[in-house]
Amino acid sequence: DADVTQTPRNRITKTGKRIMLECSQTKGHDRMYWYRQDPGLGLRLIYYSFDVKDINKGEISDGYSVSRQAQAKFSLSLESAIPNQTALYFCATSDPGQGFTDTQYFGPGTRLTVL
Amino acid sequence: QKEVEQDPGPLSVPEGAIVSLNCTYSNSAFQYFMWYRQYSRKGPELLMYTYSSGNKEDGRFTAQVDKSSKYISLFIRDSQPSDSATYLCAMSPGHNSGGSNYKLTFGKGTLLTVNP
Repeated sequence: DADVTQTPRNRITKTGKRIMLECSQTKGHDRMYWYRQDPGLGLRLIYYSFDVKDINKGEISDGYSVSRQAQAKFSLSLESAIPNQTALYFCATSDPGQGFTDTQYFGPGTRLTVL
Repeated sequence: QKEVEQDPGPLSVPEGAIVSLNCTYSNSAFQYFMWYRQYSRKGPELLMYTYSSGNKEDGRFTAQVDKSSKYISLFIRDSQPSDSATYLCAMSPGHNSGGSNYKLTFGKGTLLTVNP
């Protein structure tokens, strides 16, 4: 089984709808992240969480919110989806105890289309 | 100037060729340098990492870091069609710099195609 799973894998929705993307991990890592990936723009950090009670905004958090329900679960919500939120969304986890730096492990991604 | 610059390609090579992928960066606080490989419709996966300057070899892959030039490279020898993917460089400050080592700064990725 995959260590980092994301649901759904694909989602098409309409402008104004509320959408939740979910991420679960079995790696036992405390740190979790949400990124979006757009052609020509690369990976951009939306939110990150160092533990259940520690949630922080990344570089592009406007229009998004998150919830860390447990160590293993981190959800991303789009309260009112708009077309420019059409992108590939990735969840990632990391363990600062690994020593050299915070290697991040990515889920398979969710392809979101907002019409 | 962006913190990390990476030529997006696309790069197309014949099977067996030596591939060179590169990134430049501007933040001298970066200490850790990583290469991620991303297959189509998949998440990025860590391929290699290096600390500070120097070389690191893993099979057909060699990562080089030149901190004086703020330039990192990934070489792939005897490239195979299975190497076809997008390669992303990533880097972060180290503990000693006082920076937040959580924060990875990614390049935009280079799309590589190895033709059989």
